[in-house]
Formats: sequence, structure tokens, C-alpha cells
Amino acid sequence: GQQVMQIPQYQHVQEGEDFTTYCNSSTTLSNIQWYKQRPGGHPVFLIQLVKSGEVKKQKRLTFQFGEAKKNSSLHITATQTTDVGTYFCAGENTGFQKLVFGTGTRLLVSP
Amino acid sequence: DARVTQTPRHKVTEMGQEVTMRCQPILGHNTVFWYRQTMMQGLELLAYFRNRAPLDDSGMPKDRFSAEMPDATLATLKIQPSEPRDSAVYFCASGLGWSQYFGPGTRLLVL
Repeated sequence: GQQVMQIPQYQHVQEGEDFTTYCNSSTTLSNIQWYKQRPGGHPVFLIQLVKSGEVKKQKRLTFQFGEAKKNSSLHITATQTTDVGTYFCAGENTGFQKLVFGTGTRLLVSP
Repeated sequence: DARVTQTPRHKVTEMGQEVTMRCQPILGHNTVFWYRQTMMQGLELLAYFRNRAPLDDSGMPKDRFSAEMPDATLATLKIQPSEPRDSAVYFCASGLGWSQYFGPGTRLLVL
């Protein structure tokens, strides 16, 4: 079945450093979404990417969707302690109408 | 601020007992999802409904799990009989199309 992997599994940065998480799907995706889950909380929808090569920005967050629509990345510039949490990508498999969540990247930011 | 609500928030039960989790989706959302989250398996899609009709429950153990939407304001997930391996956080999410809004989750512990 479809698999969505994320790397790294875990990253610990100092406040102000940049952070990137990568998402790779075993199959072509029709779209990809990103979610953030704070410790003890629930996933919160951040953004959806649909087009090949699409880049979207939300303040310090930059999201990219690969040309082949099989990978994506989330980059955070100048991390803050409020960025702490686990970031999940979730892909919709073309033709299957089913959202598969990635394994997640846990981010810890030290002040 | 519309939110997905879930009850109960916490449940401790003994193996063999029936567990029923309830979800009230955001008014107007036509899609409802049930997820299970564990440290080992991550976030797994159990079942989802569109316009109250079940579209996919392939992620759900059929022999003990059942999901229903008796009306547009209520979705239920039932486990009978429960087993210790069912211990997890169960999230309900609702949405229009594929952007999903998660509830706070039901934390289930089966002893």
C-alpha cells in the first residue's frame, strides 16, 4: 500500500535556527497537506498544495510540492519556541480519495 | 469559533468491555473521519463518511470496530469487545473536501 515517510523523525534546534522536514510518498499524489500537532494536542491543518512545483508561504513557513508530486517539504525560518510540535504531511493518492498521513517530524526548539 | 467536539475525552476500561466514542462534526461539513494515533503506528485512518454515507472503513478491524453516522450532527465509533492493543488516542475530524479539522480526541486505555 501507499506509504508516506518523513525525515527527520526528530530535530532539536536552538531558537533562531532554521528547520526543514521532508515528506516522500511511494506513489504520486493528487495533493498534499501539512498539519501541526502540539504536544498533547490534536493535528491542526496548515496548508494544502495541489500543483506540481507549487510553493506557498505562511509568514516564516515555506511549503513546497515536488515536480513529480511525490515529495514535499516544510521549511521554517528562524524558529521560535512556539514552533514546537510534530509536523505531519498527508497525501491524497491519485484515484483513491484516501488521505495517508506521514510518519511525522517532531521539532523541539530550545530558547 | 466552530469546533469538532468529542466525548468522552478520556476513557479507562477493562478488556472485553464495549467502548463508544462520539463526535459532533462542524455544522455544514460533509465529510467525517475517524483516526487512531499511537506511538508505534502513528496516525491511522480508520474510516470516513461523506454526506453520512460510509466511503471507506478498510483501516478498521471489522470484527470488533464499527463506525456509524446516525445523523449529520453525530458520528460514533464503537469497539466491542475492547482489547489492550486498542489503547490509543482516537481523533474525529470533519471537513469540506480534504481539508480536515480535528477534534480534541478521546484517550482510551484498555486494561
